[in-house]
Amino acid sequence: SAVISQKPSRDICQRGTSLTIQCQVDSQVTMMFWYRQQPGQSLTLIATANQGSEATYESGFVIDKFPISRPNLTFSTLTVSNMSPEDSSIYLCSVVSSGSSYEQYFGPGTRLTVT
Amino acid sequence: AQSVTQLDSHVSVSEGTPVLLRCNYSSSYSPSLFWYVQHPNKGLQLLLKYTSAATLVKGINGFEAEFKKSETSFHLTKPSAHMSDAAEYFCVAGSSGTYKYIFGTGTRLKVLA
Repeated sequence: SAVISQKPSRDICQRGTSLTIQCQVDSQVTMMFWYRQQPGQSLTLIATANQGSEATYESGFVIDKFPISRPNLTFSTLTVSNMSPEDSSIYLCSVVSSGSSYEQYFGPGTRLTVT
Repeated sequence: AQSVTQLDSHVSVSEGTPVLLRCNYSSSYSPSLFWYVQHPNKGLQLLLKYTSAATLVKGINGFEAEFKKSETSFHLTKPSAHMSDAAEYFCVAGSSGTYKYIFGTGTRLKVLA
């Protein structure tokens, strides 16, 4: 299984500012995803991070609010832009390793609090 | 459309007694199914997966799950609960061909001493 790290692990930000979250994997992976987990809730897929091209966003999520980059097969960033308290959540990246049978491995998450 | 229903938001068991966490899925085909566990302030850990091989799947930490197509269920069980099993459990369906996951709403397991 892949080893995934995220930076920062947590942050407290003021409304109206932006935060970029990094996801680093220890091996090249086929697919990378970004999820949001709002307090006390399940995970919701934000987007699929595509290497070398624009991310594919799920319904309800837009690029202006959550720009994503994936410059290579081991790294991706998610930016939460113009934050409001409603953006307070845990943000997680996940990967599908080459050859794996669909299972995803998750990073430890970034806990974001917007004041 | 695919969906995953976890029938209980909270389950409490006494230490040493069996655990049953229920999950039903809705799909027009046999999906890949997974159970993940999330301990407080920790990431998600894969417990087990079903990918159309054996219908009874064994996972880590003594957990297992049985895929029942006729009932569209994938319930998670463990014969004897341990205090360290207290966590949030997610049943997940994989979408064929896209690798996307559909998460259930989660079941919080409490283990009483």
